[in-house]
Amino acid sequence: AQTVTQSQPEMSVQEAETVTLSCTYDTSESDYYLFWYKQPPSRQMILVIRQEAYKQQNATENRFSVNFQKAAKSFSLKISDSQLGDAAMYFCALEDGGATNKLIFGTGTLLAVQP
Amino acid sequence: GAGVSQSPRYKVAKRGQDVALRCDPISGHVSLFWYQQALGQGPEFLTYFQNEAQLDKSGLPSDRFFAERPEGSVSTLKIQRTQQEDSAVYLCASSLGGGQFNYGYTFGSGTRLTVV
Repeated sequence: AQTVTQSQPEMSVQEAETVTLSCTYDTSESDYYLFWYKQPPSRQMILVIRQEAYKQQNATENRFSVNFQKAAKSFSLKISDSQLGDAAMYFCALEDGGATNKLIFGTGTLLAVQP
Repeated sequence: GAGVSQSPRYKVAKRGQDVALRCDPISGHVSLFWYQQALGQGPEFLTYFQNEAQLDKSGLPSDRFFAERPEGSVSTLKIQRTQQEDSAVYLCASSLGGGQFNYGYTFGSGTRLTVV
């Protein structure tokens, strides 16, 4: 079975500082996709960044970057120059490579940004 | 529409009552997913439609849960004889094709169901 684990229920960061959110996963697939989503109080899931497993280069989107360690099955998210608007729940997700392409989510990390 | 619309935004149901939750996907989106998000948890897959065909319903927790998308656009998730454990946010997502990576999902803001 495919699983996603986020071991940090809550994290806090000072505005303008850097924070790293951890995620580990398990899958028997050789090719798969990984994602980080942000969920603000509005509840809408917003895609932050995505990574193809067969690409060794770590994905980057502006202030957001990942550290993808395929052998260790680790996929952490780094947020640089944290802003107040970054405060939200963050979910790590794995895309099922089967016919459905459903997402398997972790339990989330609540990020607080201190002014 | 511009986004995925879900209604109602909030629903309070008495235990044993039937409820229907609606999802209006983005026009032209072929794929539609339903997820259940319990308090303090990540979303969990319920069911998947490709147009009007329900291709995967492996995540539906019991036979009290039923989903349909009769014309390949609007979808309804129905829960019969609601129980307290059904309390959760129900999220709908749609995409042009299959797969978040290749096509991108758009999520709605969900319906928060509270069973009392």
